[in-house]
Amino acid sequence: EIVLTQSPATLSLSPGESATLSCRASQSVSRYVAWYQQKPGQAPRLLVYDATTRATGIPTRFSGSGSGTDFTLTISSLEPEDFAVYYCQQRSNWRITFGQGARLDVK
Amino acid sequence: QVQLVESGGGVVQPGGSLRLSCAASGFTFNVYGMHWVRQAPGKGLEWVAIIRYDGSTQLYADSVRGRFTISRDNSNNTLYLQLNSLKAEDTAVYYCAKDGVGQTSFDYWGPGTLVTVSS
Repeated sequence: EIVLTQSPATLSLSPGESATLSCRASQSVSRYVAWYQQKPGQAPRLLVYDATTRATGIPTRFSGSGSGTDFTLTISSLEPEDFAVYYCQQRSNWRITFGQGARLDVK
Repeated sequence: QVQLVESGGGVVQPGGSLRLSCAASGFTFNVYGMHWVRQAPGKGLEWVAIIRYDGSTQLYADSVRGRFTISRDNSNNTLYLQLNSLKAEDTAVYYCAKDGVGQTSFDYWGPGTLVTVSS
């Protein structure tokens, strides 16, 4: 099973700042990583798929990068609604796995 | 617009069974793979199962294989998850999710249904 490790576990920032969230895979997953945002009491929302492609309706301040084992989600100029938990997910084979999640808190 | 709505959750005793449903609308259901993903209270996301668009193939996480069964009814645009031999650690919100572009992500999710396994 491919393990995804997200860092940092918690990131405390202020609105207007930029956030960088990392996801490292235990073995290469090519570019098959997606990122999700989850707010309390809500289902996850797809932000980025195939490492770099923004999902439909996602603001341009969200961007993804990486390939192989190291991936990054960058949120430029944080808005108040961006404070949430973020998950990465891989599907390079049929054993789909998620990272443990990273919380983005208001400083 | 795409809508996924789960139902069938509730409280069940250890060893018991439950059947979850997911009603789909707003897209051509019979051309997409579908998944179940769960989230234990206060924990992260765990993929549970996938079923191919035509129902021909089902795959499961190790934690549920042999106890859970995923199925679909393409004539009624409905996805199912049969949960048998339930354990306390199966307590979670269960989400149905639709395969995204290239089948590498989940592009739409339902609001989830809570399953609580407790005596």
